[in-house]
Amino acid sequence: DAKTTQPPSMDCAEGRAANLPCNHSTISGNEYVYWYRQIHSQGPQYIIHGLKNNETNEMASLIITEDRKSSTLILPHATLRDTAVYYCIVRVGGSGTYKYIFGTGTRLKVLA
Amino acid sequence: EPEVTQTPSHQVTQMGQEVILRCVPISNHLYFYWYRQILGQKVEFLVSFYNNEISEKSEIFDDQFSVERPDGSNFTLKIRSTKLEDSAMYFCASRPDSYEQYFGPGTRLTVT
Repeated sequence: DAKTTQPPSMDCAEGRAANLPCNHSTISGNEYVYWYRQIHSQGPQYIIHGLKNNETNEMASLIITEDRKSSTLILPHATLRDTAVYYCIVRVGGSGTYKYIFGTGTRLKVLA
Repeated sequence: EPEVTQTPSHQVTQMGQEVILRCVPISNHLYFYWYRQILGQKVEFLVSFYNNEISEKSEIFDDQFSVERPDGSNFTLKIRSTKLEDSAMYFCASRPDSYEQYFGPGTRLTVT
């Protein structure tokens, strides 16, 4: 079973920040949090990942709470093309054999 | 930018027939995966493959499924005798020694 829970859906106005929460209360100390998104039925697209510290890249920012039991993905200026299902995933397994266990994700709809 | 490619994009087959889904992972990647997504459902892990052998497989990956890396560039998923419930999108993914998995665009398998 997935180790994460996310709200099933969210709306965001175009140009505004989209803040997508994720709970992962059973995460272990060495388990990373990954975020992917899936547009229509395309292959999941990597967004960002982190362990303890907040992370930022050209697509998004990832804020992880100090106890690591939850995180928030921030899309700073959402566009219509950001409409997708966003998955928060805890990487399971050791470095050689890890796999992703997907949950049901959050369906983000960006509104014009 | 290198990408994972998959062929065909859509495969239609009759129940009981064998199908082979093909993937070309990114060239310097070491770990390979197959996932599937039944329409409207979660992305599910099937199998991981490293150093020419299966690292891990899920309960879904029964004796009807097999994987192979026949020539150092292709990575294939074979379903020996397809069932109606095998109809799904099948995603191949690959990754280097660490970091995130890169997913292909998927093959839509329709079993009639």
